[in-house]
Amino acid sequence: QSVLTQPPSVSGAPGQRVTISCTGSSSNIGAGYDVHWYQQLPGTAPKLLIYGNNNRPSGVPDRFSGSKSGTSASLAITGLQAEDEADYYCQSYDSSLNGSEVFGTGTRVTVL
Amino acid sequence: QVQLQESGPGLVKPSETLSLTCTVSGGSISGYYWSWIRQPPGKGLEWIGYIYYSGSTNYNPSLKSGVSISVDTSKNQFSLKLSSVTAADTAVYYCARGKRGYDEWGQGTLVTVSS
Repeated sequence: QSVLTQPPSVSGAPGQRVTISCTGSSSNIGAGYDVHWYQQLPGTAPKLLIYGNNNRPSGVPDRFSGSKSGTSASLAITGLQAEDEADYYCQSYDSSLNGSEVFGTGTRVTVL
Repeated sequence: QVQLQESGPGLVKPSETLSLTCTVSGGSISGYYWSWIRQPPGKGLEWIGYIYYSGSTNYNPSLKSGVSISVDTSKNQFSLKLSSVTAADTAVYYCARGKRGYDEWGQGTLVTVSS
């Protein structure tokens, strides 16, 4: 059972903006630990999309952006494209129970 | 461009030990943390543990008693052992570079636990 909660699914039409929330607690996001985001296209390995809350690795389009506030974080996708249809996961560190890297529950993005 | 490749048996019997190796090419294993992550079919990602190139490790507390990660810098490889496996350990196993935030991933290998 993950300690980071995401909505199971979000959808939007091409060109629209969608956001994915990642809700944690005072032992992970709220404690100041960084949040990272991954995109997993069907049948492939996850790909790092955002690191350190709001930084994009080289090659990731600026349509993707991350933010963090309190015990939550968000990933925004602007100008939604068909190729963005994938599963998205947030990830952070949790200091409870001897400490552990933790992933969110995952969100399926559907482009209508 | 660094590449990671998992290798090992695709089928393991219940109660036996799952063993996988990740070979790093196109770059050195030195100076980095290296992790194992798994994903049961149709489910989300679960962190298993990581190792620093020098050998220090940290494991998921929920798996700790059965997990061991080692590194062989001379071969540019690191390995995972998971003992006393059950059907619940059936998953795609990924190796990845990093400790918090994984910037390079292997393609993943499916390990099925079944008699």
